Amino acid sequence: AQRVTQPEKLLSVFKGAPVELKCNYSYSGSPELFWYVQYSRQRLQLLLRHISRESIKGFTADLNKGETSFHLKKPFAQEEDSAMYYCAPAAVNSGGSNYKLTFGKGTLLTVNP
Amino acid sequence: GAVVSQHPSWVICKSGTSVKIECRSLDFQATTMFWYRQFPKQSLMLMATSNEGSKATYEQGVEKDKFLINHASLTLSTLTVTSAHPEDSSFYICSAHGGALLAKNIQYFGAGTRLSVL
Repeated sequence: AQRVTQPEKLLSVFKGAPVELKCNYSYSGSPELFWYVQYSRQRLQLLLRHISRESIKGFTADLNKGETSFHLKKPFAQEEDSAMYYCAPAAVNSGGSNYKLTFGKGTLLTVNP
Repeated sequence: GAVVSQHPSWVICKSGTSVKIECRSLDFQATTMFWYRQFPKQSLMLMATSNEGSKATYEQGVEKDKFLINHASLTLSTLTVTSAHPEDSSFYICSAHGGALLAKNIQYFGAGTRLSVL
């Protein structure tokens, strides 16, 4: 079964500190990995995807196929980074016609001043 | 670009009535739309995937007769909760992807609809 694990429900850091949000997945085949973010009172939005290898708002995520992990990192957290973060692998469905996301339970990041 | 509008944002209804939720892609054509359900303090659970002009594909455990999905055009999908009961109270979220100019496989989310069944 496809599974994604975000072990930390809550993560609290101080401004300027490094932050790492963990994500491990168990998937058949080669999923595409995404991080989605939900700021307070806003809708879910894409933060980054592993295939594009870009850094968004200072966040990066490295896909480690050996450890089946896709941890999200930022060297210096900012208060505006406080949000709910979801790791979401995507895979083609059995019919081969659609990609679908499986969301982890999310990690609520709080960056304290 | 890539805006998804969901309506209504909040609906309260009596037990036994049906409720329709709309999901529209405002500035792109959504070949595929997804419907999720989110319980308080829990993650999003995919309910179904719908492609324009064809029947929706429901996830295991989701009653298709209970949650009717229609994707009649490239910009509109609707979810109808039929004969709603209090246990159907939840936050329902739609997302869409598609459009020639949009990156593949990225989903754009609506703001969600909070359904409260009395």
